[in-house]
Amino acid sequence: TQLLEQSPQFLSIQEGENLTVYCNSSSVFSSLQWYRQEPGEGPVLLVTVVTGGEVKKLKRLTFQFGDARKDSSLHITAAQPGDTGLYLCAGIHSGGSNYKLTFGKGTLLTVNP
Amino acid sequence: KAGVTQTPRYLIKTRGQQVTLSCSPISGHRSVSWYQQTPGQGLQFLFEYFSETQRNKGNFPGRFSGRQFSNSRSEMNVSTLELGDSALYLCASSWSGPPYEQYFGPGTRLTVT
Repeated sequence: TQLLEQSPQFLSIQEGENLTVYCNSSSVFSSLQWYRQEPGEGPVLLVTVVTGGEVKKLKRLTFQFGDARKDSSLHITAAQPGDTGLYLCAGIHSGGSNYKLTFGKGTLLTVNP
Repeated sequence: KAGVTQTPRYLIKTRGQQVTLSCSPISGHRSVSWYQQTPGQGLQFLFEYFSETQRNKGNFPGRFSGRQFSNSRSEMNVSTLELGDSALYLCASSWSGPPYEQYFGPGTRLTVT
């Protein structure tokens, strides 16, 4: 059973367009992270959101954590070819020294010049 | 500060053989996690080591094992390789506590023939 559902799976847009990708779950998370992975490389952390309803901005990227801490979205404004990559969300369940980090399958974004 | 390094970057093995992958974490990070990434299953958590002890474990068979040394470097071993073990194996290091942000290496591409 896939705990974290990401949508869409694939997205191909033109430079300058806006887009939103979603990360949904029926489970409540302690926190949620977003990563971007480029071909031949490991994922790179973009942001961590912790509080329900939290909004974080990273230049043209806006991340939102749902009020119930079950879902998140990533909005990119005026996408550029350099934004191309696999966007992964990861939900964290933690308690004491134990934690579980579960990744979604990702959204593969292609931004065409 | 140097990033996470993994060796080797590429590996071709035959079914039934065993393989050992190596990971050097970011200096100061004491937690090392291993992940398997495949197109079908996405990024799946194998296990996490902290202070030379396995602290968390995913749902993989016992053929997958690991260890961590006193300098936090880690190795992952897969015995009796199967065709389905072909994947990108990623190592990530992090600080010991929340929010468990993962800093990934470039991965080892394992092909089993």
